Amino acid sequence: DTGVSQDPRHKITKRGQNVTFRCDPISEHNRLYWYRQTLGQGPEFLTYFQNEAQLEKSRLLSDRFSAERPKGSFSTLEIQRTEQGDSAMYLCASSSDRGDPVGYTFGSGTRLTVV
Amino acid sequence: AQSVTQLDSQVPVFEEAPVELRCNYSSSVSVYLFWYVQYPNQGLQLLLKYLSGSTLVKGINGFEAEFNKSQTSFHLRKPSVHISDTAEYFCAVMGTGFQKLVFGTGTRLLVSP
Repeated sequence: DTGVSQDPRHKITKRGQNVTFRCDPISEHNRLYWYRQTLGQGPEFLTYFQNEAQLEKSRLLSDRFSAERPKGSFSTLEIQRTEQGDSAMYLCASSSDRGDPVGYTFGSGTRLTVV
Repeated sequence: AQSVTQLDSQVPVFEEAPVELRCNYSSSVSVYLFWYVQYPNQGLQLLLKYLSGSTLVKGINGFEAEFNKSQTSFHLRKPSVHISDTAEYFCAVMGTGFQKLVFGTGTRLLVSP
């Protein structure tokens, strides 16, 4: 069990560019979550997958944001036409619907800076 | 919907002193409650959680928290802090039957010698 992996750890991009982040959950976990954390704030929920199905999306997830989880394994979060307000830490977490129903494990996050 | 209020943005304390970090929540449904710790440039690590049963919950690193339903609180305590406890602490709530965590804005614990 190597935990939840996120790649890259840091990303600096120019405003208007597209970026994509990847999350590899714990292998036996079928639920995957994305959160966003801005400076001085707690994490805010963005979206949640059970297997490959995206079951809930926050209003924070504007149409510039898209998340996928093909085949119910890794997930990607893409931001199109980045804006300075997108600068944040993007956290991924995973859990299983068997055993502990609320046993989230978080990754170390991807820090995005839009310049 | 759920919400969490962490009343203190920063708590300075001397090493080996006791500490309490306050958390209040609001919810129209039953909830699960959590405390997470975040070290600089890292993800979140679970300290402890309350699901049901005993209202006093013990977690890792000597932390404990008490669920008080009437006061809708879940305060975190440690009887004697170490320098290494310096970090950001987040209280979070999850409505039972849901999967989304709702976090407070965090409390920065600063432990000095």
